[in-house]
Amino acid sequence: DSGVTQTPKHLITATGQRVTLRCSPRSGDLSVYWYQQSLDQGLQFLIQYYNGEERAKGNILERFSAQQFPDLHSELNLSSLELGDSALYFCASSPLAGPGELFFGEGSRLTVL
Amino acid sequence: ILNVEQSPQSLHVQEGDSTNFTCSFPSSNFYALHWYRWETAKSPEALFVMTLNGDEKKKGRISATLNTKEGYSYLYIKGSQPEDSATYLCALPLEAGNMLTFGGGTRLMVKP
Repeated sequence: DSGVTQTPKHLITATGQRVTLRCSPRSGDLSVYWYQQSLDQGLQFLIQYYNGEERAKGNILERFSAQQFPDLHSELNLSSLELGDSALYFCASSPLAGPGELFFGEGSRLTVL
Repeated sequence: ILNVEQSPQSLHVQEGDSTNFTCSFPSSNFYALHWYRWETAKSPEALFVMTLNGDEKKKGRISATLNTKEGYSYLYIKGSQPEDSATYLCALPLEAGNMLTFGGGTRLMVKP
């Protein structure tokens, strides 16, 4: 158990809908990262927050947004969903702002029908 | 190499075989290299973080080496067991202070 909690574990929704994925980092970790794992693709970095502030942005679509709250949990919002958004979304945390060892949650599997 | 590349993509071995696979990365501006182990239906877990050229790390039957000058790292598994079946990922920050960029992984399947 990494100490990182993600909910929901599975989510099935329709195109055009909006969903929110939630992540609670390990106790004491200030950084939260979101990664997307699509079929035939490696882990793609989406966005990082450090202590409530956006720190780095990767290949995150404009339809997606994220935030980190004062209690350090984070939410990834995915809107106007398309079939291609079906993927496993991982949250990871680390104590540092920089790219140290990441502790991953078990992922949220999103299926868009 | 402009990105993080892993080979082979997948590997089938018999129980007891030793095996190794490669992570290749840009050799300029090296900061650190991470190896992660990802079992199906679980979360990726860190195996090693390597920072120095010539580094060798070991955890049980798994070991890794690092050559930053030529831009590669090898992961070795000695006497593979079925429980070693997993996807092995390497990752690096490609710029200082930047997030980890992951390779596509090597999927290892060990047959009993």
